Amino acid sequence: DTGVSQNPRHKITKRGQNVTFRCDPISEHNRLYWYRQTLGQGPEFLTYFQNEAQLEKSRLLSDRFSAERPKGSFSTLEIQRTEQGDSAMYLCASSLAGYTGELFFGEGSRLTVL
Amino acid sequence: AQSVTQLDSHVSVSEGTPVLLRCNYSSSYSPSLFWYVQHPNKGLQLLLKYTSAATLVKGINGFEAEFKKSETSFHLTKPSAHMSDAAEYFCVVSDPGRGNKLVFGAGTILRVKS
Repeated sequence: DTGVSQNPRHKITKRGQNVTFRCDPISEHNRLYWYRQTLGQGPEFLTYFQNEAQLEKSRLLSDRFSAERPKGSFSTLEIQRTEQGDSAMYLCASSLAGYTGELFFGEGSRLTVL
Repeated sequence: AQSVTQLDSHVSVSEGTPVLLRCNYSSSYSPSLFWYVQHPNKGLQLLLKYTSAATLVKGINGFEAEFKKSETSFHLTKPSAHMSDAAEYFCVVSDPGRGNKLVFGAGTILRVKS
């Protein structure tokens, strides 16, 4: 079991550029979550998928953000026209649906927008 | 809506002394509560969870937490701190009506002095 994998681990970009992050969940997990964590704060929920269906999006997820999970396996989070306020750690987690238990987190993708 | 409040942003203890990290929760129904730990440059890791079974929950690395409904608290304790316990700790509540997404507190940074 390789756990939840996120790529890239670090991304530095200029304001206005587009960035994409990838998350590979634990293989048998059908739920996948994206969170954002800024300095000094706890992770904030962005969105989650059950299989390929995106079931909820936070109001934090502006229309510049889009997430997909096309085959119910890996997921991508794209940020268009990045702004300095997008600088944060983007965390991915996975779990089994119907199980009130832990989420398994990846190590995160850190975005710095210059 | 579910929420948690971590009462201390920083806690400093000496190695070998007890640890107490405080958390209060707000929930409209019987909550599932968790403590996660985040070491520098590492992913979030589950320490322990409460899901309406025993009110005293034991976790990894000697940590435990007690669910007190009358006080709406879920404080994390450890009898004797170790240097390796230095990390950031998050109290978390699950929202079962919304895909079991986790709602995080702001975090408590634990410093362990030698």
